[in-house]
Amino acid sequence: EDQVTQSPEALRLQEGESSSLNCSYTVSGLRGLFWYRQDPGKGPEFLFTLYSAGEEKEKERLKATLTKKESFLHITAPKPEDSATYLCAHPRGGADGLTFGKGTHLIIQP
Amino acid sequence: EAEVAQSPRYKITEKSQAVAFWCDPISGHATLYWYRQILGQGPELLVQFQDESVVDDSQLPKDRFSAERLKGVDSTLKIQPAELGDSAMYLCASSLVRGKTSTDTQYFGPGTRLTVL
Repeated sequence: EDQVTQSPEALRLQEGESSSLNCSYTVSGLRGLFWYRQDPGKGPEFLFTLYSAGEEKEKERLKATLTKKESFLHITAPKPEDSATYLCAHPRGGADGLTFGKGTHLIIQP
Repeated sequence: EAEVAQSPRYKITEKSQAVAFWCDPISGHATLYWYRQILGQGPELLVQFQDESVVDDSQLPKDRFSAERLKGVDSTLKIQPAELGDSAMYLCASSLVRGKTSTDTQYFGPGTRLTVL
């Protein structure tokens, strides 16, 4: 069964304190690993798509990496505005609808 | 920047009533998805359309939920009758094409927050 597990469930950091969020997945024939950011009461906002092990993508203070079993979202020198829930997902086997993890709720304190 | 539109943004209803949600995808996007998100969880797929055809509704509770995309553009999701457990955020997403070897990026709308009393 396709599964996506994110850890930690919640993370509180001081402004400027770098860290990483983990997303582990079990699916054969990965057709993309997606990262989204979601603010309270809003729809998920697309961040990155990774397709193959070893791939990396960056956007401002965020960098996403992919291995054969995990993806990491590295956040460098975060700011309070980076506070949000970060979701990872991959396409369901044989279809395009995404299977999401429960997310990591990130809080950056000034 | 093109966005997915959804309405209403908020809906409060009593159990056993009927509710409907509307979604207008990004122009030109052939694939449309409806997801349900319970507070504290990730979104869960309900139904996927390719143009006007349903390609995946395996997780749609068909005894009370229905979805249509008659002209292959906008879409409506209906619940009849609503139950207390249906309280959630209902999200619509769209993507440009249906990938065969990879999956195209899905862009989400703002969602409809449903509360069933």
